[in-house]
Amino acid sequence: DAGITQSPRHKVTETGTPVTLRCHQTENHRYMYWYRQDPGHGLRLIHYSYGVKDTDKGEVSDGYSVSRSKTEDFLLTLESATSSQTSVYFCAIRPGLAAETQYFGPGTRLLVL
Amino acid sequence: GENVEQHPSTLSVQEGDSAVIKCTYSDSASNYFPWYKQELGKGPQLIIDIRSNVGEKKDQRIAVTLNKTAKHFSLHITETQPEDSAVYFCAASMGNSGGSNYKLTFGKGTLLTVNP
Repeated sequence: DAGITQSPRHKVTETGTPVTLRCHQTENHRYMYWYRQDPGHGLRLIHYSYGVKDTDKGEVSDGYSVSRSKTEDFLLTLESATSSQTSVYFCAIRPGLAAETQYFGPGTRLLVL
Repeated sequence: GENVEQHPSTLSVQEGDSAVIKCTYSDSASNYFPWYKQELGKGPQLIIDIRSNVGEKKDQRIAVTLNKTAKHFSLHITETQPEDSAVYFCAASMGNSGGSNYKLTFGKGTLLTVNP
């Protein structure tokens, strides 16, 4: 998994509670991404980061925030979880400045009741 | 923005047969096309990719073809084996064109089942 770990791997939470997912990488890659995967939708980009404290929105960013205070960690926060945010969340890294290839972590399965 | 369509959504083949998955993209500025394989409970893994200056690329039993004029690209798997069973995703990237910042747009996936 390209030196990427995600935590937790599984989480069950209740509607309205805050949730933070962590992506950790060991290779000092500059670019990191958060996706969600849902049946019938494939992988959709939530937010991405192009450096410490540099982040931008993807196509499905509503209800999510991110932070990157260290190169190795990219955090995804659901401020107030909703059932529509039940999904599998994947983190990815892109190794090179001009290389397009992204490599994915193992995923976090989140269930919001 | 870019839109990627992938077909079929499910594909069942007999072991040893070939499998073909097709994708179309909408933006002619796209210039990088990776394919990912996702096994149950795991993250997507890159299996092959192609850039727009190349028409075909092979890696053992896997090949990808690109038709820039028609804006479509295909994954070909020959001599399929049960371990090829997985979900396959295509994707497209415009590189840094128009501030795209190398973002990938994915197809919705194809569930390939190889029957022994």
